[in-house]
Amino acid sequence: QVQLVQSGAEVKTPGASVKISCRASGYPFFNYYIHWVRQAPGQGLEWVGTINPANGHTAYAQNFRGRVSMTRDTSTSTVYMEWITLSSPRSEDTAIYYCATEVSIGDFDYWGLGTLVTVSS
Amino acid sequence: QPVVTQEPSLTVSPGGTVTLTCASSTGAVTSGSYPTWFQQKPGQAPNTLIFSTNRKHSWTPARFSGSILGDKAALTLSSVQPEDEAEYYCLLFYSGIWVFGGGTKVTVL
Repeated sequence: QVQLVQSGAEVKTPGASVKISCRASGYPFFNYYIHWVRQAPGQGLEWVGTINPANGHTAYAQNFRGRVSMTRDTSTSTVYMEWITLSSPRSEDTAIYYCATEVSIGDFDYWGLGTLVTVSS
Repeated sequence: QPVVTQEPSLTVSPGGTVTLTCASSTGAVTSGSYPTWFQQKPGQAPNTLIFSTNRKHSWTPARFSGSILGDKAALTLSSVQPEDEAEYYCLLFYSGIWVFGGGTKVTVL
């Protein structure tokens, strides 16, 4: 069956290096886009971005463009998300980060359990 | 970036019907926005109920339905059950990016 296994919780200071992962199994890795969605404590869902595992092409929400990077490792069927600027992550980036597959347009069929990223000085 | 707007909260009686809407700051929501609806209960990951306006998953109860009403996407819950109490989010597609609405808290009372 399809599974998305996410990496464990992270506690970081602002601007520290953070890279979280999502390992897919149970289906051909190249078949489905993988999206990242975050949820700050007590807040709603926010779409972060997406990666096409077949070619590595990405798209990001405006709030994350230039601040995060999504990559994939086809040998391990894993996608990664990391913050790429010295000013990120910020305390406002404290949230649960979910990965999800998009089986067909808008059909976010399978979800990981989420990775809690806590950013605090 | 576009803004997607939902009712913050709605209350419905058991057995009743309630309609949630999803509006776009860029104008009318159409099928080309591929409206998707999620249900989220506390401590759980979101669960897709409806995608591409009105398509259901095998696990989507028949009492949930999606549509376009006027210039908005809509999610209608009929014969509401106590277990339908949850947060509901819509998601719209805009030329390569997706934007969530702020969510609607549905209370069954």
